[in-house]
Amino acid sequence: SAVISQKPSRDICQRGTSLTIQCQVDSQVTMMFWYRQQPGQSLTLIATANQGSEATYESGFVIDKFPISRPNLTFSTLTVSNMSPEDSSIYLCSGRGDLNTEAFFGQGTRLTVV
Amino acid sequence: AQSVTQPDIHITVSEGASLELRCNYSYGATPYLFWYVQSPGQGLQLLLKYFSGDTLVQGIKGFEAEFKRSQSSFNLRKPSVHWSDAAEYFCAVEGLFGNEKLTFGTGTRLTIIP
Repeated sequence: SAVISQKPSRDICQRGTSLTIQCQVDSQVTMMFWYRQQPGQSLTLIATANQGSEATYESGFVIDKFPISRPNLTFSTLTVSNMSPEDSSIYLCSGRGDLNTEAFFGQGTRLTVV
Repeated sequence: AQSVTQPDIHITVSEGASLELRCNYSYGATPYLFWYVQSPGQGLQLLLKYFSGDTLVQGIKGFEAEFKRSQSSFNLRKPSVHWSDAAEYFCAVEGLFGNEKLTFGTGTRLTIIP
């Protein structure tokens, strides 16, 4: 499967600031997703990143807090805006190709908000 | 909507012993089924998947899983665990044809003792 490079791998940020996480795939993928994994928890889907259009957000997640871009089929960014300590999590991006293929994941970004 | 249950939060196994991690799903039809592994500080790696066909699927690192429709289960097994298998294991389901979202279980943390 394709390889996703995600950066930064970790960061410590001040509350009230924003952080942009980047994901670069080494080949074109049909779909890209962003997940949040809170400490000791499972993965929760934040949104589906749509190429050339607004992302599709899951219940409980809004564009103002988590703006997402996907300018092409290999790249996406997630911004965590106006951060608070509750945003401390691991954020993972994921990609998949056509139907009947599995999703693959980046290494994750471990975010700590102080 | 689909859901996944991993009833065991934490399992401890001796090195060389056999392993079975449980996964039960809820879905109106036969979904796509996956097992992912997450080592500390890492992203998710796909161990194996079931789309259709043979209900016993082989994966990487000596893992296998068996889909049992009557029990709505997809349990992960390994005949002899190695210390390097210590990690978090996630079962996940996706609707037919990949049209629906990937839903993860809460994970099972595996500890290996010498």
